[in-house]
Amino acid sequence: DAGVTQSPTHLIKTRGQQVTLRCSPKSGHDTVSWYQQALGQGPQFIFQYYEEEERQRGNFPDRFSGHQFPNYSSELNVNALLLGDSALYLCASSLGGGHPNQPQHFGDGTRLSIL
Amino acid sequence: GENVGLHLPTLSVQEGDNSIINCAYSNSASDYFIWYKQESGKGPQFIIDIRSNMDKRQGQRVTVLLNKTVKHLSLQIAATQPGDSAVYFCAENIFTQTGANNLFFGTGTRLTVIP
Repeated sequence: DAGVTQSPTHLIKTRGQQVTLRCSPKSGHDTVSWYQQALGQGPQFIFQYYEEEERQRGNFPDRFSGHQFPNYSSELNVNALLLGDSALYLCASSLGGGHPNQPQHFGDGTRLSIL
Repeated sequence: GENVGLHLPTLSVQEGDNSIINCAYSNSASDYFIWYKQESGKGPQFIIDIRSNMDKRQGQRVTVLLNKTVKHLSLQIAATQPGDSAVYFCAENIFTQTGANNLFFGTGTRLTVIP
């Protein structure tokens, strides 16, 4: 039973560039959430996707956007990269659709470094 | 987001001893809490969860206690092993009116097990 998988594992970009990160949820999960984790801090919620729509968004600018595909996989896009966007980007999947109190399961993240 | 914080940022224990990691939360309406373990270079790993209608829940070598009166959570690890060395996060799960469930994390406690 495959868990949450993310790609790539590491990425180096320069300021102003754009990046796309990918996530495949755990088998049976239909909801995908994205988090940003700065060094030494806890993950911060970016947004959540369910049924191919953004269902909730955290306090992140519009430079951060996402997409969910019919197979429940998801992408996180970040435009006009800033130095402060350097972080570990985590994807988590869960069972949505009116199932409250279901734990989110995380992938190992994509380490994004901005030069 | 809601404030979910930890009392101690670091904890060192001898192998074989019991570990207790504490966490405070501020949203008295929260009804679901999760403990995660994060090893270096990996994503948060689900350990155990507890709903607000419970005071205690036990897993394999782990116990979570919830005190709603003082809005406090603790994670107890029995017979701590070197493999338990990691950063531990408590997360408050918020179920929104849109149907989304968002996690709010504290800054984490680093547990070091001394052989």
